[in-house]
Amino acid sequence: DTEVTQTPKHLVMGMTNKKSLKCEQHMGHRAMYWYKQKAKKPPELMFVYSYEKLSINESVPSRFSPECPNSSLLNLHLHALQPEDSALYLCASSPMGQGGTEAFFGQGTRLTVV
Amino acid sequence: EDQVTQSPEALRLQEGESSSLNCSYTVSGLRGLFWYRQDPGKGPEFLFTLYSAGEEKEKERLKATLTKKESFLHITAPKPEDSATYLCAVQAAGNTGKLIFGQGTTLQVKP
Repeated sequence: DTEVTQTPKHLVMGMTNKKSLKCEQHMGHRAMYWYKQKAKKPPELMFVYSYEKLSINESVPSRFSPECPNSSLLNLHLHALQPEDSALYLCASSPMGQGGTEAFFGQGTRLTVV
Repeated sequence: EDQVTQSPEALRLQEGESSSLNCSYTVSGLRGLFWYRQDPGKGPEFLFTLYSAGEEKEKERLKATLTKKESFLHITAPKPEDSATYLCAVQAAGNTGKLIFGQGTTLQVKP
């Protein structure tokens, strides 16, 4: 099973709202990621969690706040977003290892900020 | 700076017309090169991992190859269901797991 589950699939929020995106995997992977993808562009890394600790923040604005409650769950808390933050938000997970390890992606949350 | 460049940006093929997609990369210590398929509005679907020059992987009509500077995704006798965007990504030295993606090649296969 190589499934990463993201909820919700679609989200519309106002600029003053607070919402959360959720991601779950049961593959025993110890690395989890948030990527942002705009239309006709490749995914761009936002955050990396390794063994439930934040290891990379790609200079993401503080209106995006990640959280990793345990090794299977990853959340992205959203607050005071801008219309330009509208995008497909992708969660991924991968095993940790010495060599390169493939990441498995969820189906994404399509976020629209109005 | 680590970089991935894919060509062409778009490719139109007739069903059964074989072709290749290119992924050129510059990276400080390659840990792995990955190919993904992405359908519109969906997350990328993992296809292949290549670790060292000379390595090849196959899956149905797809075959991925790797040299020290580039990778090719060969598509043999494509079908309309192979239409998608194909993304190439690399992982550089350092145990961060970060993927650096190319811009992708959008493939359309006409019946």
